[in-house]
Amino acid sequence: QSALTQPPSASGSPGQSVTISCTGTSSDVGGYNYVSWYQQHPGKAPKLIIYEVSKRPSGVPDRFSGSKSGNTASLTVSGLRAEDEADYYCSSYAGSNNLVFGGGTKLTVL
Amino acid sequence: QVQLVESGGGVVQPGRSLRLSCATSGFTFSRYGMHWVRQAPGKGLEWVAIIWYDGSNKYYTDSVKGRFTISRDNSKNTLYLQMNSLRGEDTAVYYCARDNHYGLDVWGQGTTVTVSS
Repeated sequence: QSALTQPPSASGSPGQSVTISCTGTSSDVGGYNYVSWYQQHPGKAPKLIIYEVSKRPSGVPDRFSGSKSGNTASLTVSGLRAEDEADYYCSSYAGSNNLVFGGGTKLTVL
Repeated sequence: QVQLVESGGGVVQPGRSLRLSCATSGFTFSRYGMHWVRQAPGKGLEWVAIIWYDGSNKYYTDSVKGRFTISRDNSKNTLYLQMNSLRGEDTAVYYCARDNHYGLDVWGQGTTVTVSS
């Protein structure tokens, strides 16, 4: 149950796009289409923004998109806004009814 | 509206026990699997456990196996986490969350557990 690998930080200017990667193995990210992404503002609970690799829950702006290639999943935030500044976590089903999270990426809007 | 409210956190000495609760409302609790996820101070999210919609299956992360027990009472729409033999490394905010194909689509506000002598 090793954590998925995310870059500790990412940044972009308002209006730009930024992509955050999430690297696992063939036993988790690469083996299942159950990758999710969460946004967490300081002191708040996480919020689901992408599930099943690329699906958006109702109410999540289409500026947020997800994809996967092999053992790496990616979250792209387009048209960056100040309110997008937060921590972002990926997660993946890892078989045997286990779930694994990434270490998190702090997104800064410059 | 859909809501999850955790309770039961507090300060506890190492080796002691604590039971967390997660009261749910606004959805048919008995139709959903449920998770516990924790976050140590200044750290990332860590999955703790899952229980199936009917309580028939339960799975845990390795570090809590044999010490923590997840359970549910579908008649009370409530999820539980019994934590025994607590250690300093169990100090965290504990969140309950609803499962949607291993996407956790609804989260509580969290309850803080501090293990310290």
